[in-house]
Formats: sequence, structure tokens, C-alpha cells
Amino acid sequence: KAGVTQTPRYLIKTRGQQVTLSCSPISGHRSVSWYQQTPGQGLQFLFEYFSETQRNKGNFPGRFSGRQFSNSRSEMNVSTLELGDSALYLCASSLEFGNRGDTQYFGPGTRLTVL
Amino acid sequence: KNEVEQSPQNLTAQEGEFITINCSYSVGISALHWLQQHPGGGIVSLFMLSSGKKKHGRLIATINIQEKHSSLHITASHPRDSAVYICAVRTYMDSNYQLIWGAGTKLIIKP
Repeated sequence: KAGVTQTPRYLIKTRGQQVTLSCSPISGHRSVSWYQQTPGQGLQFLFEYFSETQRNKGNFPGRFSGRQFSNSRSEMNVSTLELGDSALYLCASSLEFGNRGDTQYFGPGTRLTVL
Repeated sequence: KNEVEQSPQNLTAQEGEFITINCSYSVGISALHWLQQHPGGGIVSLFMLSSGKKKHGRLIATINIQEKHSSLHITASHPRDSAVYICAVRTYMDSNYQLIWGAGTKLIIKP
């Protein structure tokens, strides 16, 4: 089976722009979670989607949003980019709803740099 | 105080040594994960635990629910084990199930 794929792998944007990141989960996985990783903050949970519905959300401003499609692929959008949004954005998929504690499989991440 | 604390933050050891990384948490959990992140950024899920002990190759993970503590052990450590090891707990908070992450333990194994 192919692993979790994320596109693009690298992205450079300027302040005020918006960006959309994409994640394709492992085939058969219905849960997709998004994380932001920065050197100072470590891994921070953004949100989790299951069957096209947002089930869990972390403490991020409304500029961060996401969605999941019927094929379980997920997109994350960040509007009005700020310098502090520069980070590695990781996507992880799992079989079922996250609260059952399924093992998560991580993608390689998208490295976003905001100038 | 962080809900999930890992120790040590950094660990350097010689090849072959027995390694222990600790994770303590202060919230009720439904599961605890151990993950490995290599310098390139790739994250691999090692274990998911809700009780007891799991073993995979040279890696052993244990959890004590009463003491709210988990350990990750590496036997016969090898330089390729050098990575950041992250503990994460799944808890119910603010009407949501959330993953709370430890800060990670950076492990360097010298040949």
C-alpha cells in the first residue's frame, strides 16, 4: 500500500497570502489529522477529520481551516499568512475515528516558509 | 506545567547500551503513542498503548496507568536509532478528543 502523501513538499509564501496543503491518506483510512511542528512549540494538533466531518479541533485561530473529501483526501487552508505560520505541517491517517486510539501513519510533511 | 513531560530531553549513549526514555502525563487518557522522528522530518508511529507492554524488535514500550507513566526501551542500541522520540497521549478535553504531545527526547547513539 502506498503511504500517506502530502503535496507540495515545500512552499514559500509571503505574509498576507493564503495557502492550501493537500494530504492523501493510506487507502482505506478514513481519519486524517493535521499537525503543525515548529522548533519552539513541537507538534501541535490542528484538527482531525473523519468521514468528511471535522471531529476534533486544536487551539488554532480561524485562519486555519480544513476539509475532507469523500475519498478521504484532506486539504488544509491557511489564510492571511503570518511569519509565525512558518512550520512543518504534518498529516496523519488512521483507520477509524481517532478516539479509539488507532495507530497513525504520518506523511512526510509540507515545509511552509512565510517571508 | 505541561500535561505530558518527557525525560530526558537529550540523551547520548554508546552503541550497544540499553536506552530508557520516560513519559509522564497528568490527564486521563484513552491511549498513549510513541513515535520516532528522524532528522529529515519523517515521523514513524512505533507503538500505541492503553495498558501493559508491547515489544517490536529491539523496542519495548510499557505503560502504568495508575502511575500515569510510560517508558520506551531500546535494547542493543545502534546509531540508526538516533532520532527524536515523541510521546503523545490521547485525552478527552474541551469536549474533544485531543492528542497532547511531549516535547520529545533527542537520542544520539555513537558508534
